[in-house]
Amino acid sequence: GNSVTQMEGPVTLSEEAFLTINCTYTATGYPSLFWYVQYPGEGLQLLLKATKADDKGSNKGFEATYRKETTSFHLEKGSVQVSDSAVYFCALSVRAAGNKLTFGGGTRVLVKP
Amino acid sequence: DTAVSQTPKYLVTQMGNDKSIKCEQNLGHDTMYWYKQDSKKFLKIMFSYNNKELIINETVPNRFSPKSPDKAHLNLHINSLELGDSAVYFCASSLVSGANVLTFGAGSRLTVL
Repeated sequence: GNSVTQMEGPVTLSEEAFLTINCTYTATGYPSLFWYVQYPGEGLQLLLKATKADDKGSNKGFEATYRKETTSFHLEKGSVQVSDSAVYFCALSVRAAGNKLTFGGGTRVLVKP
Repeated sequence: DTAVSQTPKYLVTQMGNDKSIKCEQNLGHDTMYWYKQDSKKFLKIMFSYNNKELIINETVPNRFSPKSPDKAHLNLHINSLELGDSAVYFCASSLVSGANVLTFGAGSRLTVL
């Protein structure tokens, strides 16, 4: 079956620190990969995605590269801000499975001034 | 204007009661979903409706009954609530069925005592 594993939080950082959130997956078929973010009091929203191996998704200073050889899609940001405090969810979908999203457990990130 | 809104945000009730959670989207999307976030924070799909028609029904007890009066609304009714139903329930929508980019509501936290 399909599954996503991401590091457990919370991750606490100071402003301007480097952020990495690890995500690995198992999938039958060729998945598309996603990072969703949930800011406090809001619903999840798409942060970035990649649809094939070696693709890099990027948005709002965040990046993640689809690594087929290591089945990973780690999220990185070079210099975090307090406004990046949120819960980050890694997810995948497989076309053969109707494109249903399979989510990881979420990683809470807290950025302190 | 909230794109996907769900009510109530918090719901505390006794075992055996019947309760409903309502969801509305103003995005003009064709497809709506209900996800359940368990105690380990994993999001799992429960139901998906496309233009009022049920298209995904995962292994969910039949105490859970979704209702879609029109394509902008998808309500979740739960009969005979059990302790294990305590969770955060997320409504979401997508432009079309099979899309893997979803817009989520802020979640409804259900606590069964």
